[in-house]
Amino acid sequence: NAGVMQNPRHLVRRRGQEARLRCSPVKGHSHVYWYRQLPEEGLKFMVYLQKENIIDESGMPKERFSAEFPKEGPSILRIQQVVRGDSAAYFCASSLRTGAHNEQFFGPGTRLTVL
Amino acid sequence: GESVGLHLPTLSVQEGDNSIINCAYSNSASDYFIWYKQESGKGPQFIIDIRSNMDKRQGQRVTVLLNKTVKHLSLQIAATQPGDSAVYFCAEWGNDYKLSFGAGTTVTVRA
Repeated sequence: NAGVMQNPRHLVRRRGQEARLRCSPVKGHSHVYWYRQLPEEGLKFMVYLQKENIIDESGMPKERFSAEFPKEGPSILRIQQVVRGDSAAYFCASSLRTGAHNEQFFGPGTRLTVL
Repeated sequence: GESVGLHLPTLSVQEGDNSIINCAYSNSASDYFIWYKQESGKGPQFIIDIRSNMDKRQGQRVTVLLNKTVKHLSLQIAATQPGDSAVYFCAEWGNDYKLSFGAGTTVTVRA
């Protein structure tokens, strides 16, 4: 009965490199959400995806960041040309249905450090 | 702007005592609130929720109180245990699917 899985758990990149973060939702969940958590802060919504569709990316920076949730395989959050300000914990959540009051289950997060 | 926030960033409590964690929100249209617990190195874990048509809801050792008049939310943990040490976040539903989190309160339980 696996929950949300994320990998890698820790990722170190140098400025200018690319970071790829993966998220496998709870089995049977087709709604995926990505959040970013800066040190000493709460989680901030980035993007909401359903299978093969981006529903809302209003919280994601328009440059360098992209997300996908293909028909097969995990959801990917991609950060190109990383900068030090991208250092944060990135959490993925999934839900069976969307809408308020449908619980989002969170993964353990990927902690990205940009040197 | 609209935000969800917490009154105190840290709380130290003696094992066995009760803990109270507070949260203020500014969006009077919010109708659903959740408390999450985040342990070190882990993702947020759902604790308890409350809808705006309620003032109080109880779970196992936890109680959430909602005061809509002053837009205040609190989480009470009875008989705090070492395993309760974590960061606690209140969150509200923005639109259908966006959760808005406060900054969190770090609870440390003293033996």
